[in-house]
Amino acid sequence: SQQGEEDPQALSIQEGENATMNCSYKTSINNLQWYRQNSGRGLVHLILIRSNEREKHSGRLRVTLDTSKKSSSLLITASRAADTASYFCATVLWRNSGYSTLTFGKGTMLLVSP
Amino acid sequence: GAGVSQSPSNKVTEKGKDVELRCDPISGHTALYWYRQSLGQGLEFLIYFQGNSAPDKSGLPSDRFSAERTGGSVSTLTIQRTQQEDSAVYLCASSTRSGGREQYFGPGTRLTVT
Repeated sequence: SQQGEEDPQALSIQEGENATMNCSYKTSINNLQWYRQNSGRGLVHLILIRSNEREKHSGRLRVTLDTSKKSSSLLITASRAADTASYFCATVLWRNSGYSTLTFGKGTMLLVSP
Repeated sequence: GAGVSQSPSNKVTEKGKDVELRCDPISGHTALYWYRQSLGQGLEFLIYFQGNSAPDKSGLPSDRFSAERTGGSVSTLTIQRTQQEDSAVYLCASSTRSGGREQYFGPGTRLTVT
């Protein structure tokens, strides 16, 4: 089952507006990461926030983490058409092998119209 | 430097045929992951390699799927007797080590089984 679930599934906004996406997860985490995917191809890492951090910024991106609510949000300010993509949150999943991997949600599809 | 590369970028095959998908991770990355992404879905973990350790195969959907990693670098994902439900984008990622680190993704191989 998916560890992280993004909300909303799809979001349509105009250029210049802000976009907010949310992610909920089920178990304790070491960190939470956000990735972007264009045109159904490779994902690009955007930002990582550790469990002891509450907010982190990177350019026009702002990520918050609320471990008590097991949720995170990604805010993109002053959106551009180039921000059109699917956005995924990813959390650590410990496997029986003793190693950990990332588990991804189904993503939020963002459409930014000119 | 060079990122993760995958080949082929697209593969169309007939049902029942075997296919091999290749992944070249970033040089020096010890961890390598294979994921599958079906249309409109999130990423489904398939298999994970860490250094010279035995791979974590817990995500492989059936015994028709196998993967190997030679010399701790290049990896090949093999699907035998392909079925139409195997149609998906197969993504490879690498990272410096395990533990929920940032992953670097290749552009993916789009597999279509007719």
